[in-house]
Amino acid sequence: SYEVIQPPSVSVSPGQTASITCSGDKLGDKYACWYQQKPGQSPVLVIYQDSKRPSGIPERFSGSNSGNTATLTISGTQAMDEADYYCQTWDSNTVVFGGGTKLTVL
Amino acid sequence: EVQLVESGGGLVQPGGSLRLSCVASGFTFSNHWMSWVRQAPGKGLEWVANIKEDGSEKYYVDSVKGRFTISRDNAKNSLYLQMNSLRAEDTAVYYCARDVRGGTVVIVHYFDYWGRGSLVAVSS
Repeated sequence: SYEVIQPPSVSVSPGQTASITCSGDKLGDKYACWYQQKPGQSPVLVIYQDSKRPSGIPERFSGSNSGNTATLTISGTQAMDEADYYCQTWDSNTVVFGGGTKLTVL
Repeated sequence: EVQLVESGGGLVQPGGSLRLSCVASGFTFSNHWMSWVRQAPGKGLEWVANIKEDGSEKYYVDSVKGRFTISRDNAKNSLYLQMNSLRAEDTAVYYCARDVRGGTVVIVHYFDYWGRGSLVAVSS
């Protein structure tokens, strides 16, 4: 079965750029999306179709996907961006989530 | 406003059964694939099952095949998950989520709305 791998944790200083990766075999041939989940809350879609932002998501969130890696980039990271982030793709009628990355803003 | 409200969770013994429900509002339910996604305590998201708009196609993660059944009632704007032969490892918050699917050569898929979740605890 298809798998995507994320780093367990990423740290960033306020105002700096955070990059969270999601790796899978030829992931660039598929579409990837990203969810943000804060403690005690439901996931929120922040990027879909590799690089599109849903309405209401700040412009500092962007995405890319090429080769074997999809990347979520948060520019000018704010304290409110501290959360768990999950990548997700689709393969053979199966929805595949990455294991999640805890983003710490310190 | 799109809303998804889950119910039916609770404490059940290993080997027992439980039926989750999700009532949808604010959109045309019969036009969308729907999914159940779960999250074990302190763990990541795991997709469980999804169902086509008219219920004619259903897909499951391997770990629940033969034990869980997804269904829907479009007249009631409702999604269900019948869970049988429950195990301790099924303990999780179960979310109802609306699928967005598109494309032919390369499939676009994501969840644009999520419910608040229903906790299922399997323990003796």
